[in-house]
Amino acid sequence: GAVVSQHPSWVICKSGTSVKIECRSLDFQATTMFWYRQFPKQSLMLMATSNEGSKATYEQGVEKDKFLINHASLTLSTLTVTSAHPEDSSFYICSARTDRGPGSPLHFGNGTRLTVT
Amino acid sequence: GQQLNQSPQSMFIQEGEDVSMNCTSSSIFNTWLWYKQDPGEGPVLLIALYKAGELTSNGRLTAQFGITRKDSFLNISASIPSDVGIYFCAGYSGGSNYKLTFGKGTLLTVNP
Repeated sequence: GAVVSQHPSWVICKSGTSVKIECRSLDFQATTMFWYRQFPKQSLMLMATSNEGSKATYEQGVEKDKFLINHASLTLSTLTVTSAHPEDSSFYICSARTDRGPGSPLHFGNGTRLTVT
Repeated sequence: GQQLNQSPQSMFIQEGEDVSMNCTSSSIFNTWLWYKQDPGEGPVLLIALYKAGELTSNGRLTAQFGITRKDSFLNISASIPSDVGIYFCAGYSGGSNYKLTFGKGTLLTVNP
């Protein structure tokens, strides 16, 4: 149980274009999903919290107009990197909780490797 | 914000050896989680700990929630080559059962 699917697993795009990444909870409903970014050999950095039916909450220093998040249903959240630049190249990982109470573990997708040329 | 100090940063061991890594914090955590991340993939939950003093096993893995609630360790017994990867500790602190704080990871290399 608690499977999180992320798509695509990798994407290459040209500078200035936008890229959408999907995150789906396959066997559970998730009112909250989380988007992380990970640089090589570093830990996961929380970018934003995606809330079903309401606006996402962004961490300090994360541009909300650049990283658009939509959580339109209980099983789907999307992250759109707008006007991508080479410095946006990174590994993006989504996660969701099964909402079994305080402290429920996060379950992660397999990540999306974004390369902006 | 909350910080977790994870050590060691990396380990090189021989197949069959036991491994131990730990995380400490200056503040109290209510939940400790241990994840493993393989290259190019997302972290996978290994063990979740919810009570101080709790000792939980998952196959060859054993993790404990420290009595002070400020630390946790993960042991791997009889390591095998597929244990290679990055191990992260993570936790929810008393003030936030909502945001997960991650350690910086322990890179484990197992020589066959």
